[in-house]
Amino acid sequence: AAGVIQSPRHLIKEKRETATLKCYPIPRHDTVYWYQQGPGQDPQFLISFYEKMQSDKGSIPDRFSAQQFSDYHSELNMSSLELGDSALYFCASKSLAGGNEQYFGPGTRLTVT
Amino acid sequence: AQSVSQHNHHVILSEAASLELGCNYSYGGTVNLFWYVQYPGQHLQLLLKYFSGDPLVKGIKGFEAEFIKSKFSFNLRKPSVQWSDTAEYFCAVNRYKLSGNTGKLIFGQGTTLQVKP
Repeated sequence: AAGVIQSPRHLIKEKRETATLKCYPIPRHDTVYWYQQGPGQDPQFLISFYEKMQSDKGSIPDRFSAQQFSDYHSELNMSSLELGDSALYFCASKSLAGGNEQYFGPGTRLTVT
Repeated sequence: AQSVSQHNHHVILSEAASLELGCNYSYGGTVNLFWYVQYPGQHLQLLLKYFSGDPLVKGIKGFEAEFIKSKFSFNLRKPSVQWSDTAEYFCAVNRYKLSGNTGKLIFGQGTTLQVKP
């Protein structure tokens, strides 16, 4: 079965650089969630989209922005990177019609040096 | 204050021992409850979920959990653990607010389970 795809899987950036993370949801899933998991931490909700519109917003810094495109894939754009942005970024998708279960991708590990 | 609380941060068990991981949440109203497992270097995988109905839910790999509404708890259990159960376990809650439910998950701090062969 198709799963959530995230790219890249690993990313190394320097401070003050920008990064773009991509998420491709499971086919026919209309909702995408982004979570950030710092080292030894629990995942924290950042932002979500339903049918290409932002549906909820969590603790996402103003330096970050995200969007969902017409093909339902989503991108998380991160600017002016800081050391504290180093984390595992998970994307999850679900189908509103399919219930409230989110399927997680493998994550993108971002390291800021 | 943590809205989803997992009592045990690090649990060490021998194979065949029984497991119970505690999870409490502080939201009133309707909630959906989940347990996820994260094996080393891997992504979150759903173990089981509770939406409504029978408060005792069974998941994959022999795990089960009981929803006790009066205690705001959703504890995870397994009668006999295996070495392959070594992983991080997260309890997560999705709450219904007056404004609706966007489905976002609020996670507990996680419990690291180490099973000794």
